[in-house]
Amino acid sequence: NAGVTQTPKFQVLKTGQSMTLQCAQDMNHEYMSWYRQDPGMGLRLIHYSVGAGITDQGEVPNGYNVSRSTTEDFPLRLLSAAPSQTSVYFCASSYRGRDSPLHFGNGTRLTVT
Amino acid sequence: GQQVMQIPQYQHVQEGEDFTTYCNSSTTLSNIQWYKQRPGGHPVFLIQLVKSGEVKKQKRLTFQFGEAKKNSSLHITATQTTDVGTYFCAGLSSGAGSYQLTFGKGTKLSVIP
Repeated sequence: NAGVTQTPKFQVLKTGQSMTLQCAQDMNHEYMSWYRQDPGMGLRLIHYSVGAGITDQGEVPNGYNVSRSTTEDFPLRLLSAAPSQTSVYFCASSYRGRDSPLHFGNGTRLTVT
Repeated sequence: GQQVMQIPQYQHVQEGEDFTTYCNSSTTLSNIQWYKQRPGGHPVFLIQLVKSGEVKKQKRLTFQFGEAKKNSSLHITATQTTDVGTYFCAGLSSGAGSYQLTFGKGTKLSVIP
């Protein structure tokens, strides 16, 4: 049982480049979400999904896109990377939604130069 | 919007000393969740408190939810080096048919052997 799998673990981008962070879960969780973690800022919600075909914005959505075509996968797309997007990104899922415990992936450390 | 304040930001203790972190919300919460993140790791769910005045224990860890459901605390008795990490609270609030889960900025615990 792999849980929540994120790829890649590390990524370096140049300003203006685009990329997709992958997230997959094998727990049949309906709820999936993306957080970014910056020093001293805690965890901030970027986008979330309550089920396949349904996505919504979180606290800091600008510069990011998501889609949820299947229950298992929830990729995060950076359209045109900026240095302000340098951060650690965590994907998290839960069985029922935000009132259920979140299961986090191992994270992706992204640097934008 | 909802704010969750967590104090202290840092705590250094000698091994064997006790440790407490506090979480305060600007709004009444539906529940509160606690997570632990080891250095270089991802957040791991510890516990969820739902009822007013609720107290739960996990070995040396004691979690409390305030009577007004606006504050919570995590107390560790006789810290060990394995307790090192950052402890986050996350408060769930509801309103207008939606839920919002807001993380505190965390308390980073260092244990001096």
